[in-house]
Amino acid sequence: GENVEQHPSTLSVQEGDSAVIKCTYSDSASNYFPWYKQELGKRPQLIIDIRSNVGEKKDQRIAVTLNKTAKHFSLHITETQPEDSAVYFCALWSFKAGGTSYGKLTFGQGTILTVHP
Amino acid sequence: GAVVSQHPSRVICKSGTSVKIECRSLDFQATTMFWYRQFPKKSLMLMATSNEGSKATYEQGVEKDKFLINHASLTLSTLTVTSAHPEDSSFYICSALGWGQDSPLHFGNGTRLTVT
Repeated sequence: GENVEQHPSTLSVQEGDSAVIKCTYSDSASNYFPWYKQELGKRPQLIIDIRSNVGEKKDQRIAVTLNKTAKHFSLHITETQPEDSAVYFCALWSFKAGGTSYGKLTFGQGTILTVHP
Repeated sequence: GAVVSQHPSRVICKSGTSVKIECRSLDFQATTMFWYRQFPKKSLMLMATSNEGSKATYEQGVEKDKFLINHASLTLSTLTVTSAHPEDSSFYICSALGWGQDSPLHFGNGTRLTVT
């Protein structure tokens, strides 16, 4: 089935530094790769996503890169701020052939990011 | 943007009772909704896929008789935790599939279930 591995599980950086989180996957049919930020007790919030026909996407301090050949994608946060502290999840959308469902979203294990002032 | 409303946000129930959680897509039709469960400091685990007008598809290891899912309309899916036990205490989050929006999956705010 679908499998996505996320590393590191925890990441501690100083304010202003960059943070990088990486996910690897096995299902070559996956074609949508979102990243979510989740604060304690709240729902996941989409922060950036990338589709398989694109290698990189950037939105201000956040960027995502995708290497479909190597089956990994990464989240890059530059100029980190204390308010970036949260749990970050990668995810991927896997389609199923046939049936009534369009597929499903599988999450990575999560990374606890702490940005120290 | 697409809005998904989930109720209740918190519920405390006694062991052996049943609890119903509602998930509504407010401004779009969702033929497919997903139910996730999240234990403290863990990832979101897909429990089941809910399709309007048909039986839900459960993930391996999820008891369909314990977690009843009903998707009777294009805007409403419900999850009923039957005969709840303390180990069912968790954060349950629904999401609705809505392609054509800025992102395909829209999450509810989640329900914190505590079984005493």
